[in-house]
Amino acid sequence: AQSVTQLGSHVSVSEGALVLLRCNYSSSVPPYLFWYVQYPNQGLQLLLKYTSAATLVKGINGFEAEFKKSETSFHLTKPSAHMSDAAEYFCAVSDGGYNKLIFGAGTRLAVHP
Amino acid sequence: EAGVTQSPTHLIKTRGQQATLRCSPISGHTSVYWYQQALGLGLQFLLWYDEGEERNRGNFPPRFSGRQFPNYSSELNVNALELEDSALYLCASSLAREGTDTQYFGPGTRLTVL
Repeated sequence: AQSVTQLGSHVSVSEGALVLLRCNYSSSVPPYLFWYVQYPNQGLQLLLKYTSAATLVKGINGFEAEFKKSETSFHLTKPSAHMSDAAEYFCAVSDGGYNKLIFGAGTRLAVHP
Repeated sequence: EAGVTQSPTHLIKTRGQQATLRCSPISGHTSVYWYQQALGLGLQFLLWYDEGEERNRGNFPPRFSGRQFPNYSSELNVNALELEDSALYLCASSLAREGTDTQYFGPGTRLTVL
């Protein structure tokens, strides 16, 4: 069965610093992986999606993620944090034919001046 | 292009009542999904509808049910409300039945059970 673990429920960075949000997955089949962002009192917005076409995936708002099969990881990075990046970030894996997304517990990113 | 829309934005009910939540998918999308985001429990898959049929359901009791209409919009019904049903209910849609298709989420309905 697929599962997702996000290390660190809270991450705090300075504006302009590197953002690194960690995600490890478990999957018995080649995974399809997603990162979503949730701003306060809003739904989920897709940041990026891995579908095996390329291991480095570029998303919106300057975010990217690298798929590492050997480490079963799909960490999200952004070179320079902006105040507007403050939100909760969710990593998810698709449960194949059952069409459900399995989410990690989420990481709340705080960006301070 | 309009995104996934949900109504109402907020819903307040008392224990034992029934709640009905509505979702309109992105135009052209045939699959609709429902997720519950409860405090401390994270995002949990509830239901998946495609072409008017329930295709999969998560680990929720039968008092959570729904349907999909011919125009692909969907309704989630929660009967005999309990306090722990208080949560943000998110609807998502995707283009087709493929499990790899991206799910696009609506803004959610916040259900409060008093």
